[in-house]
Amino acid sequence: GEDVEQSLFLSVREGDSSVINCTYTDSSSTYLYWYKQEPGAGLQLLTYIFSNMDMKQDQRLTVLLNKKDKHLSLRIADTQTGDSAIYFCAEIMRNTDKLIFGTGTRLQVFP
Amino acid sequence: DADVTQTPRNRITKTGKRIMLECSQTKGHDRMYWYRQDPGLGLRLIYYSFDVKDINKGEISDGYSVSRQAQAKFSLSLESAIPNQTALYFCATSDRAGTDTGELFFGEGSRLTVL
Repeated sequence: GEDVEQSLFLSVREGDSSVINCTYTDSSSTYLYWYKQEPGAGLQLLTYIFSNMDMKQDQRLTVLLNKKDKHLSLRIADTQTGDSAIYFCAEIMRNTDKLIFGTGTRLQVFP
Repeated sequence: DADVTQTPRNRITKTGKRIMLECSQTKGHDRMYWYRQDPGLGLRLIYYSFDVKDINKGEISDGYSVSRQAQAKFSLSLESAIPNQTALYFCATSDRAGTDTGELFFGEGSRLTVL
């Protein structure tokens, strides 16, 4: 199937690290993505990783890719209240070239 | 002005009514998409179009139809709305050139309530 799975909720204290996990289905996906949706808004691309990479770091964000287990994670260091949002992972389906999204993880940051 | 504009932003309608959600973009992208968002289910693809003459069904196309009137315009219709079509609908665009990552650019969403 085309299921991309994530846990629904994550709650962290401000200043701690957040780790959001995702499992995907298409082992031939060329790119995997993390999108962020703030309240009342559409989704915006946060970061992406090319499938031949294991890790990508971008300021406070670290993306880890385990192709063997089809597992993608997003680590946010020093989590701030402004990071509170829904985070979606997504993969490109190689045979159709369409983007499939996960269920989304709602990150809540408390002081 | 937003690059991807959806109208209406909010709509309340009754069961059986015909509804059209419109999307226009100024990004010059060939590819356009309609998704719906439901709590706990994430985003699910309804229809997508890779150019003006190309229309494809997504995961949940039943009960919906689309029209790609021009490169910049992609509309979604519900011929006879039913309550389980109550959701937040997103239009998105992308430009999947050879070196492009395939990033999607989203509109701000259209919230539809069917009573």
